[in-house]
Amino acid sequence: DAGVIQSPRHEVTEMGQEVTLRCKPISGHDYLFWYRQTMMRGLELLIYFNNNVPIDDSGMPEDRFSAKMPNASFSTLKIQPSEPRDSAVYFCASRGTSGTDTQYFGPGTRLTVL
Amino acid sequence: SQKIEQNSEALNIQEGKTATLTCNYTNYSPAYLQWYRQDPGRGPVFLLLIRENEKEKRKERLKVTFDTTLKQSLFHITASQPADSATYLCASGGNAGNMLTFGGGTRLMVKP
Repeated sequence: DAGVIQSPRHEVTEMGQEVTLRCKPISGHDYLFWYRQTMMRGLELLIYFNNNVPIDDSGMPEDRFSAKMPNASFSTLKIQPSEPRDSAVYFCASRGTSGTDTQYFGPGTRLTVL
Repeated sequence: SQKIEQNSEALNIQEGKTATLTCNYTNYSPAYLQWYRQDPGRGPVFLLLIRENEKEKRKERLKVTFDTTLKQSLFHITASQPADSATYLCASGGNAGNMLTFGGGTRLMVKP
């Protein structure tokens, strides 16, 4: 398996622009998590899905952030409009139902908002 | 809510020595703690899980302990190597649905 795939790996945009981050989880995994990592706040959970349904979005900072999972193999995290304080590395992770709840992380998308 | 605290200062040790990293939780005892390794520019990678009722878990040169009295987990790397240099993250889970709560991580530098 190729592991969790994220795109783009790097994104530089200007304040006010819309940003869309993409994630393909590991095949067969039915949980998908979106995290944000910064030096100041560490790794923070934004939202997670189970069987394509959003379960907990309490970590989403504000209405400018939205996430979707239209099918089991694809999810997006959208920021509209983007702000400089959104600059961070965004990780997607997935895991299966059984076992030890191990999460498998993608390589991340480094977002810079100018 | 649960908070996971790790020493934010980097740990520098000499090759061959044992590295010991600390993870403290502040509130309820988690059902389990997980340890992840993160290299620069990459996502975290799972290393070990230890459950609340387990005192110690080992995997090759890695050892993790769980002390519910001290509200603490220790992560040991024996016979450390420069290739062990990375940031190590502790995460609690099993209590709040399917979510993990991560600590800020501790950067380990192993010098040859």
